[in-house]
Amino acid sequence: EAEVAQSPRYKITEKSQAVAFWCDPISGHATLYWYRQILGQGPELLVQFQDESVVDDSQLPKDRFSAERLKGVDSTLKIQPAELGDSAMYLCASSLLRVLNTEAFFGQGTRLTVV
Amino acid sequence: AQSVTQPDIHITVSEGASLELRCNYSYGATPYLFWYVQSPGQGLQLLLKYFSGDTLVQGIKGFEAEFKRSQSSFNLRKPSVHWSDAAEYFCAVGGNSGNTPLVFGKGTRLSVIA
Repeated sequence: EAEVAQSPRYKITEKSQAVAFWCDPISGHATLYWYRQILGQGPELLVQFQDESVVDDSQLPKDRFSAERLKGVDSTLKIQPAELGDSAMYLCASSLLRVLNTEAFFGQGTRLTVV
Repeated sequence: AQSVTQPDIHITVSEGASLELRCNYSYGATPYLFWYVQSPGQGLQLLLKYFSGDTLVQGIKGFEAEFKRSQSSFNLRKPSVHWSDAAEYFCAVGGNSGNTPLVFGKGTRLSVIA
């Protein structure tokens, strides 16, 4: 069964350090999302890609966060420098584009702890 | 702006008892509604979805949900809860064309006691 792959599963980093997360969506899924889920909260959208283009990054803290999907397949989310408040689960999801009645499929997430 | 409200932060039920998790939404267009479940430290698994048609939808693991447009609700139900159902449950609203991000509620944590 096709899955959204994310790595690493867990990451501990010191504040002010750089950290990066990787996501490989389900093959053929043109739309890719990065969500952030703070403990005890629901996921919130950080950035949405359609193929290699950013569709929505209005909630991405661009002073420290960046995201790319250079070839329209896998994606990397980077934080530099990390802050204590960035501790959260980072979830990647993908979906088909221009297909009605479809849903987003989520990866297992990367749990980030900033110390 | 679209939003989802899950009024119950934490619910405890006895194993074998029935369950209802509440969800209310606000969405400017025709809502497409989802319930996801999340076990500790894991990603989100889709339980069920509503796009159109029959307002009572069946999902995996014996869950069902009913869409009530007049009440802007999409409550999740299960007739008999199992201990393995203990998890966090998220209601979400979005579009159906594969390029509309989901807006999630804050979640309801379900505990199951013997």
